Amino acid sequence: GAVVSQHPSRVICKSGTSVKIECRSLDFQATTMFWYRQFPKQSLMLMATSNEGSKATYEQGVEKDKFLINHASLTLSTLTVTSAHPEDSSFYICSASGGAYNEQFFGPGTRLTVL
Amino acid sequence: AQSVTQPDIHITVSEGASLELRCNYSYGATPYLFWYVQSPGQGLQLLLKYFSGDTLVQGIKGFEAEFKRSQSSFNLRKPSVHWSDAAEYFCAVRAAGNKLTFGGGTRVLVKP
Repeated sequence: GAVVSQHPSRVICKSGTSVKIECRSLDFQATTMFWYRQFPKQSLMLMATSNEGSKATYEQGVEKDKFLINHASLTLSTLTVTSAHPEDSSFYICSASGGAYNEQFFGPGTRLTVL
Repeated sequence: AQSVTQPDIHITVSEGASLELRCNYSYGATPYLFWYVQSPGQGLQLLLKYFSGDTLVQGIKGFEAEFKRSQSSFNLRKPSVHWSDAAEYFCAVRAAGNKLTFGGGTRVLVKP
């Protein structure tokens, strides 16, 4: 299967700062990337879908001005949590699909803790 | 809208015993179904998927799942559980735009 990486794996930041999380498809061109959020002991909730070169599509209830998504290339998407607050603390997981793959491949996740 | 239900939040099973995890879906068209496993603090690993064809699907790590359209189910099974199978398991259905809808997950605990 294809490989998707995320960086950083863990980040701790102060309230009010912004944090950027990178998602990379290492061995295939990802025309579509997805960003999920997972609270402890809960399932994954889709936040947004991004297609390379176009604006992301956000799910209902997700603030697009708070969670900025950029998908400028076929191998990289970024999620920026702006003016982070403690309630933004969560596990963020990206996935990617594209090329010959009609399924999503998941990154290892990023644990964000906002103090 | 599509939805996925995993009725069991927790399942405890003895090592070497069989395991079955239930998954029921609601989707208007032919579903594309997936089972993923997640170890603590990790991302998701695909166990198996069903797109079409044979309704009994074989996956990695000795898992299999059976698609039953009449019951809207896609239950996951393993004949003999290993301690390393302790994890969270998610069933998912794929909708338009390649979006996945996940069930709530089932946490599997393995007793020695």
